[in-house]
Amino acid sequence: SQKIEQNSEALNIQEGKTATLTCNYTNYSPAYLQWYRQDPGRGPVFLLLIRENEKEKRKERLKVTFDTTLKQSLFHITASQPADSATYLCALPRASSASKIIFGSGTRLSIRP
Amino acid sequence: NAGVTQTPKFQVLKTGQSMTLQCAQDMNHEYMSWYRQDPGMGLRLIHYSVGAGITDQGEVPNGYNVSRSTTEDFPLRLLSAAPSQTSVYFCASSSGGNTIYFGEGSWLTVV
Repeated sequence: SQKIEQNSEALNIQEGKTATLTCNYTNYSPAYLQWYRQDPGRGPVFLLLIRENEKEKRKERLKVTFDTTLKQSLFHITASQPADSATYLCALPRASSASKIIFGSGTRLSIRP
Repeated sequence: NAGVTQTPKFQVLKTGQSMTLQCAQDMNHEYMSWYRQDPGMGLRLIHYSVGAGITDQGEVPNGYNVSRSTTEDFPLRLLSAAPSQTSVYFCASSSGGNTIYFGEGSWLTVV
């Protein structure tokens, strides 16, 4: 069956360092992958989309990579700040139906001053 | 532009009661969906719709009904609430293969 796994439930790093979050998937060949940010008590907010023919995508301090051979996406936040503390979710369309978007369970990132 | 609007924000139900969570979007999106979010389990897809009059089941559809009579509205009905349906519910919309916009969530407790 198709699965999405995010590397850990929580990640705690020092301000200024680069945070790296992992999203692995199995039995998929998704056309694209998305990353979302979710703050406590709020709905997820879209950050980045990367397509299968793109190796890397950047937006300000964010960088996403997409390795279709390893079936993995890495999400990097450079020069991290306490305001980056949130839960980050990856999402992919189901192979059986591109209309079904499935989310990983998320990684809770904490940036300490 | 309000985006995706969900009501109510909070609701407490007794076991066996029925209720409807309302969802409306003003972005003319074809795709709408409902997710539930439980601790440690991430977002799980309940039902989704690819356009008015078309709905389909997600991963956890049991105990829920949906309909899509207009492009704007996608209500979620709990037919006979159970404690296992205590969760946070998110409605979402998109134009397909693109950014998904989420509502602010509805916190439901079934006692």
